[in-house]
Amino acid sequence: DVKVTQSSRYLVKRTGEKVFLECVQDMDHENMFWYRQDPGLGLRLIYFSYDVKMKEKGDIPEGYSVSREKKERFSLILESASTNQTSMYLCASSLQREKLFFGSGTQLSVL
Amino acid sequence: QKEVEQDPGPLSVPEGAIVSLNCTYSNSAFQYFMWYRQYSRKGPELLMYTYSSGNKEDGRFTAQVDKSSKYISLFIRDSQPSDSATYLCAMIVLAGGTSYGKLTFGQGTILTVHP
Repeated sequence: DVKVTQSSRYLVKRTGEKVFLECVQDMDHENMFWYRQDPGLGLRLIYFSYDVKMKEKGDIPEGYSVSREKKERFSLILESASTNQTSMYLCASSLQREKLFFGSGTQLSVL
Repeated sequence: QKEVEQDPGPLSVPEGAIVSLNCTYSNSAFQYFMWYRQYSRKGPELLMYTYSSGNKEDGRFTAQVDKSSKYISLFIRDSQPSDSATYLCAMIVLAGGTSYGKLTFGQGTILTVHP
């Protein structure tokens, strides 16, 4: 079974802090994704990567950056956390772009 | 207007009922249609997928696509309490255009099946 592991289940940070969300997949997938999920808005794509050191902006990249130094690891970085970035963050990986395997999510609260 | 619209519910049905979940979309370039199921405090998992218009059946689940009307549905027969979850439709453009390679999700419908 594909396993996508997100480093933290719950995270509480202060406004202005730099925040790192880590994601690791164990199936040698080329593609990795970061989404955020908010009530009433569904899942929105922040960034995705289809190869090591490659990244593409999704629909809501503002305030975020990503890093993919190794194939199995995809990190989401909040340069200066703000309260409107309080959300559930979901990492996913895939071999084919349409069949995503998701982690369990990180619930981030920015105070 | 959102590219994909899904009624968020919540939807509450008795055990054994037939459930119908629906999404409409506006981008005619969408080619591949999926349903994901998300249990509480978990990430979504792929439930069903299809390329073509028509019906696709998998056990108690049937996915239906009508490209002419830009409408997709998921039917659940003989619903069980274990089907209680959020159901998300998703679709993707697989060739060219600004939406290429990006999965677009509906808002999700919260379903509760009570015994």
